[in-house]
Amino acid sequence: KNEVEQSPQNLTAQEGEFITINCSYSVGISALHWLQQHPGGGIVSLFMLSSGKKKHGRLIATINIQEKHSSLHITASHPRDSAVYICAVGGDNNDMRFGAGTRLTVKP
Amino acid sequence: NAGVMQNPRHLVRRRGQEARLRCSPMKGHSHVYWYRQLPEEGLKFMVYLQKENIIDESGMPKERFSAEFPKEGPSILRIQQVVRGDSAAYFCASSPNRDSPQQFFGPGTRLTVL
Repeated sequence: KNEVEQSPQNLTAQEGEFITINCSYSVGISALHWLQQHPGGGIVSLFMLSSGKKKHGRLIATINIQEKHSSLHITASHPRDSAVYICAVGGDNNDMRFGAGTRLTVKP
Repeated sequence: NAGVMQNPRHLVRRRGQEARLRCSPMKGHSHVYWYRQLPEEGLKFMVYLQKENIIDESGMPKERFSAEFPKEGPSILRIQQVVRGDSAAYFCASSPNRDSPQQFFGPGTRLTVL
């Protein structure tokens, strides 16, 4: 079993829909990260969480430490949100262990 | 303030050759992480370095792979005698220190082994 499990693997949405991507992990962590990888391959760090909730624009990330679960929400989705979203957990050395990613496609 | 830089962006090697991948961290960052993304697979941790020290190399293959981060200059990931299975995207990320878990990623080097 992977240390970091994401769901769904693939997600297709219509523009404007509310999107949720889930992440569960099975190890102790120092922080949880949500990353975005665009079709060109570049990786952008969206959020780093150790507790609670963070919001940036239309993106919201939450984490429940007791349940070892995090969610990434996108409100009012747009085609430019199409990307692979990756959940990663940071260990003692802050080295990241990654989920397999969720491929999001937002159709106009 | 330039971000994390990696070069080359694309590298083609024949089987048996050596590949050298370079990573210049963000200014003021002294910690570098290397990750590998095999085709159609997720990212995997390889090695964590501080200036002149390897902190954790548990994700790096024992043979043919080595990494360094000298006092001066970029971090280097070196792959000797490359094989087709080494074809992947190699990303580095940097952070200012161990107490700062946020990492900033470079654009990656895409290695193709013919």
